Amino acid sequence: ETGVTQTPRHLVMGMTNKKSLKCEQHLGHNAMYWYKQSAKKPLELMFVYNFKEQTENNSVPSRFSPECPNSSHLFLHLHTLQPEDSALYLCASSPPAGELFFGEGSRLTVL
Amino acid sequence: AQRVTQPEKLLSVFKGAPVELKCNYSYSGSPELFWYVQYSRQRLQLLLRHISRESIKGFTADLNKGETSFHLKKPFAQEEDSAMYYCALRRGSGGSNYKLTFGKGTLLTVNP
Repeated sequence: ETGVTQTPRHLVMGMTNKKSLKCEQHLGHNAMYWYKQSAKKPLELMFVYNFKEQTENNSVPSRFSPECPNSSHLFLHLHTLQPEDSALYLCASSPPAGELFFGEGSRLTVL
Repeated sequence: AQRVTQPEKLLSVFKGAPVELKCNYSYSGSPELFWYVQYSRQRLQLLLRHISRESIKGFTADLNKGETSFHLKKPFAQEEDSAMYYCALRRGSGGSNYKLTFGKGTLLTVNP
């Protein structure tokens, strides 16, 4: 599939669970992003990776741990989350100074 | 710090009426401004960017540095324009900066 693909689309987890979100892009972009979209806040940038190197960490709590093994894949590892972490997590990719291409998002519910 | 403000959370117009979605920004340097759109059950996608100076789906937006605004306009709204619209800012231009800051979004409803 072309574009940005996120899995799983929906995830329900307890506060003590460990889970991961996956993002994959085959657009040849060098930059990948994680954004958090919750009901009452604007899209919040979490992390930016450029050529596998993290270039932005927007004061994200350590219970969110990103991993970028190569320019096509981006993970968000989740552990000991809180109910307020329930949100839609969006992955995006872009070429240098180009537009962002977004995935459809992973809807996370923390019980 | 950079900030994007979209003062209207909801905007409702009738088909054929003009529409303007407001966006104001706060940034001391030379910004790059974008409008992204999210139609129902679709992913967020770029609508237009100020450096392109294009009209996309009849929408235009002009960067006004004096008023620090980047309002989105369309002279005759269509029902298919109903969507969530986000204004976004990236500081400067060039390949080294990737941080894109979004506003809270405006939900546009075009009534028949």
